[in-house]
Formats: sequence, structure tokens, C-alpha cells
Amino acid sequence: DTGVSQDPRHKITKRGQNVTFRCDPISEHNRLYWYRQTLGQGPEFLTYFQNEAQLEKSRLLSDRFSAERPKGSFSTLEIQRTEQGDSAMYLCASSESNSEQYFGPGTRLTVT
Amino acid sequence: AQTVTQSQPEMSVQEAETVTLSCTYDTSESNYYLFWYKQPPSRQMILVIRQEAYKQQNATENRFSVNFQKAAKSFSLKISDSQLGDTAMYFCAFMKQSGTYKYIFGTGTRLKVLA
Repeated sequence: DTGVSQDPRHKITKRGQNVTFRCDPISEHNRLYWYRQTLGQGPEFLTYFQNEAQLEKSRLLSDRFSAERPKGSFSTLEIQRTEQGDSAMYLCASSESNSEQYFGPGTRLTVT
Repeated sequence: AQTVTQSQPEMSVQEAETVTLSCTYDTSESNYYLFWYKQPPSRQMILVIRQEAYKQQNATENRFSVNFQKAAKSFSLKISDSQLGDTAMYFCAFMKQSGTYKYIFGTGTRLKVLA
């Protein structure tokens, strides 16, 4: 399978705990995006990497959120001190240059 | 800032019939792309069709076609010969042709194809 993969697919955590999600993009894609999708809404942009450089972060990305893409390959998204409002589907997408984005299956986070 | 509006939260269509999903957007950009993505229940989002703003010709992909009206900032999706497998959430997305190429999505239209 050469598509975008994400791990885990589901995560249930208690409020206040830290969580980390992983995204493996399509191997030749230099651009990687994180989006958040809540129920009944379209995905909202969180952050963007070109290779290993994080070039844009949305205002949605509070200081409890951090993302990395070491060596320009996989990416991780960490949420510290989770809150119930963080419950959402976290989507990763990758693309080549200015072409369309390919999405992973998402990680569904539930904060109890 | 760009915005994308999908005014039809839910739609249904009989199998083999034709349905049109609407999308309007607002931007001051002249160079951009528009996309329709399909998100089946519990499955990942996949690209249905894309349209470059500089192209006057409407994009088509098999049973899927768009009606792109640049002046009106309208980008509707027509699905012909609807199939049960077309049941999904459909999202319209805007991408500026510069900078980070991030997407701005609409809120989606839930389409149900009835047997």
C-alpha cells in the first residue's frame, strides 16, 4: 500500500493526558498537511510542512499542539494536556508540489 | 481570506438518477484550484474531480462533471447515473495557487443514494 497511512486509527484518552499521532505520507511527496475535522464540519487546516520545515501553523494550533517532520519523512502531531474540545478526527495529507492532496484514513481522538 | 460554502447539508437521489451538489466560494485570488472530495462512511477522503481556475472548460471524470462559473464563484458537482457506492459526504475545497497550497473546505453535503 503506497497511500498515506496514519497511526493509531482511534485513540481514547483522559483529559489532561498527552497523545501523539503519526502520519506516513506517500514517499515521494515533499508536502505534508495536518487538518482537524469535527462532527458535521469540513476539515480545517492546522499546519504544513515542506520537507522537514514547518512553514505555516493555523491559529487553531494552540501552544499545547506541536508537530514535527524529522528528515522530511513521517510526521508526528502531539497534543499535551488534552481537553474535551480536542476530540476530533485528525487528518494527514500529502502532495507533490502544487498538485492535489492525498489523505490518510485519519486518527479519531476521543477525550473523556 | 477565502471561504467555501456548501448550502445543502443533506441530499438524496434515486439510483441511476442525476444529482447536483452546489458550492460557492469567495476569493480575491485569480489563480486557484477547486476540488470535490468524497468521504465514504468510516473511510478516507478521496479526490473526485479538480478544476483549474484558468481553464474555461469544465472538468469531467466519467460520471462526475462540474459546472464552473468563475464570475459567479460557483462550482457545482453533477453526478450522473448515481450508484449506491456514491453514498458519502462530499466536500468542496479551494486551494490558492501559491504559498502553502493548503485547502479551505466547505462544510460538506451528505449524499444518500437510494435503491
